[in-house]
Amino acid sequence: EAGVVQSPRYKIIEKKQPVAFWCNPISGHNTLYWYLQNLGQGPELLIRYENEEAVDDSQLPKDRFSAERLKGVDSTLKIQPAELGDSAVYLCASSFGPDGETQYFGPGTRLLVL
Amino acid sequence: QKEVEQNSGPLSVPEGAIASLNCTYSDRGSQSFFWYRQYSGKSPELIMSIYSNGDKEDGRFTAQLNKASQYVSLLIRDSQPSDSATYLCAADGGGYNKLIFGAGTRLAVHP
Repeated sequence: EAGVVQSPRYKIIEKKQPVAFWCNPISGHNTLYWYLQNLGQGPELLIRYENEEAVDDSQLPKDRFSAERLKGVDSTLKIQPAELGDSAVYLCASSFGPDGETQYFGPGTRLLVL
Repeated sequence: QKEVEQNSGPLSVPEGAIASLNCTYSDRGSQSFFWYRQYSGKSPELIMSIYSNGDKEDGRFTAQLNKASQYVSLLIRDSQPSDSATYLCAADGGGYNKLIFGAGTRLAVHP
């Protein structure tokens, strides 16, 4: 079974530039998560989708971050404009269902904003 | 603010010893608890999940949960150098599948 796929794996951009990350969850997983992980910290949830609906985006900085999950499968997370403090690893995870289900993580996108 | 607390380490143990990793959580409503292992530069991978008080064993790993004390632990028996990684404890956000992660404990197993 293929795992969660993310691209790109690495991205270097200058501040104020836009950037987008893509995630393809495990087949059949209805719940998709985007996490932010800073160095030396645990992942922090940005947004959670149940199928195509964003059911928890309370931690998403909506002034510069946006996300979508068209057709309830793949998802894209966008930052526009990027700031220096956005440098981090962006992790996508998926689970079969919403409650108590194991979340499986993708390899992450390591973002460096210069 | 729901929190999960872990000692950052590093926890250093000799090869073959038992490594004991501990975690406390603040939300009494949490029902699901997870231990993830994260190698440097890699993504978290699930080691154990536990939902009921008591012990749960899987190979060399044993997870322990005490809801009254809001305490979760992970024991690794016969520690190997390949177990050297950061171990993340996570608890669900009280009825929702919003995982709250601790900052992780770095484990170093030396030959």
